[in-house]
Amino acid sequence: KAGVTQTPRYLIKTRGQQVTLSCSPISGHRSVSWYQQTPGQGLQFLFEYFSETQRNKGNFPGRFSGRQFSNSRSEMNVSTLELGDSALYLCASSLTGERLETQYFGPGTRLLVL
Amino acid sequence: DQQVKQNSPSLSVQEGRISILNCDYTNSMFDYFLWYKKYPAEGPTFLISISSIKDKNEDGRFTVFLNKSAKHLSLHIVPSQPGDSAVYFCAASAKNYGGATNKLIFGTGTLLAVQP
Repeated sequence: KAGVTQTPRYLIKTRGQQVTLSCSPISGHRSVSWYQQTPGQGLQFLFEYFSETQRNKGNFPGRFSGRQFSNSRSEMNVSTLELGDSALYLCASSLTGERLETQYFGPGTRLLVL
Repeated sequence: DQQVKQNSPSLSVQEGRISILNCDYTNSMFDYFLWYKKYPAEGPTFLISISSIKDKNEDGRFTVFLNKSAKHLSLHIVPSQPGDSAVYFCAASAKNYGGATNKLIFGTGTLLAVQP
C-alpha cells in the first residue's frame, strides 16, 4: 500500500505570495491532519479534515487554510506569506481520525519564504 | 507555552549501549503518549505508545516508561544500533483537547546519534 505523499517536496516563495501544498493520504484513510515543523517549536498542529469537513483547528492565523476533496486528498493554502512561515509542512493520515489511531506522516513539503 | 518538552536537543551513545530519551509534560489532561522517529527527508514514523493507565510498555528493543506523578516519560532503546540514529519526538494526546480528537502535541525532538 502506498504511503502518504506530499507535493511539492520543496518550494521557494517570496513574502506576500501565496502557496498551495497537496497531500494524498493512504488509500482508505479519510482523516488528514496538517502540522508545521520549525526548529525550536517541534511539530505544531494546523488543522484536521475528515469527509471534506474541517473538524479541528490549531492556533494559526486565518492566512492558513485548507480543504479536503471527496477522494480524501487535502490541500493547504497559506496566503500573504511571511518570513516566519518558512518551515517543513507535514501531513498525516489515519482511517477515521479517532484519537488512538496511528497517524502516518508524509515526507513533508519544505517551504522557504524569502 | 511548550506543554511537551524535550530538554535534550541531542544525545550521543555508543553502539550496543542503552539510549535514554526523556520527555516532560505540563498538562495533566494528557493521557496518551507516543514516540515518533524521524529520519532526514522522511516524515515521522510511529514507534511506540503508552496509555496513562500503564507505567511501562515494551516493543522489542524499545521501552517507554511513564511517571505520571512527575509528568515524565522516557524512551529506552536497548541495545542501540547505528540505524537508530534519528530525531525522536515525544507527543501527547488528551480527550477533547480543544475540541480535537486526534490532535497531537509534540516536543521539539532529540537528535540521537549512535556511534559504531
